[in-house]
Amino acid sequence: QSVLTQPPSVSAAPGQKVTISCSGSTSNIGGSFVSWYQQLPGTAPKLLIYENNKRPSGIPDRFSGSKSGTSATLGITGLQTGDEADYYCGTWDASLSSGVFGGGTKLTVL
Amino acid sequence: QLQLQESGPGLVKPSETLSLTCTVSGGSISSSSYYWGWIRQPPGKGLEWIGSIFYSGTTYYTPSLKSRVTISVDTSKNRFSLRLSSVTAADTALYFCARGSRRNDAFDIWGPGTMVTISS
Repeated sequence: QSVLTQPPSVSAAPGQKVTISCSGSTSNIGGSFVSWYQQLPGTAPKLLIYENNKRPSGIPDRFSGSKSGTSATLGITGLQTGDEADYYCGTWDASLSSGVFGGGTKLTVL
Repeated sequence: QLQLQESGPGLVKPSETLSLTCTVSGGSISSSSYYWGWIRQPPGKGLEWIGSIFYSGTTYYTPSLKSRVTISVDTSKNRFSLRLSSVTAADTALYFCARGSRRNDAFDIWGPGTMVTISS
């Protein structure tokens, strides 16, 4: 059971938009920055979003992040088949004094 | 460009100690802006944060593994290490090392990962 809750799977058609939620508490999301990672099959995770809504260099603006209270959301527009991957949210938990990840969401582009 | 590379045995016997090293190249491990972490992923499952270390030696561990985990840093060799004692089959996983930001706790650079299987 992960500290952060994500839907196990989401799906949408190519070109459409999808959102992935990440729910936590005041000890983690509510008090810390949220990051999002994309993990393509057989590869290491890749940082997509940091500080809730910022994109590292090279990440297209089709990817966006937001945070409100104890929840965060990753948005992906203009879906491509290459976006099929597992997506994870992550943050720091002050009560645990450790980092935490969500359980991951598998995105299927139909 | 900074790169990370995990190394260590791919097979460990139950009850023994798992030992992995992450070598940092293309940059210094002694940066006050970053820390160094270990994350694992059991087959077919999600990411699990194991622990982190600053170049000064300060460590943080996830509570569920705290009694069995030790992370250390060797600044002279630009590398950091993970030791996990009394392993069981549940510790079978793909182990990643990564660089974390002190400002925002995001892991921006990851190693490719190394698979460790616990089996007799």
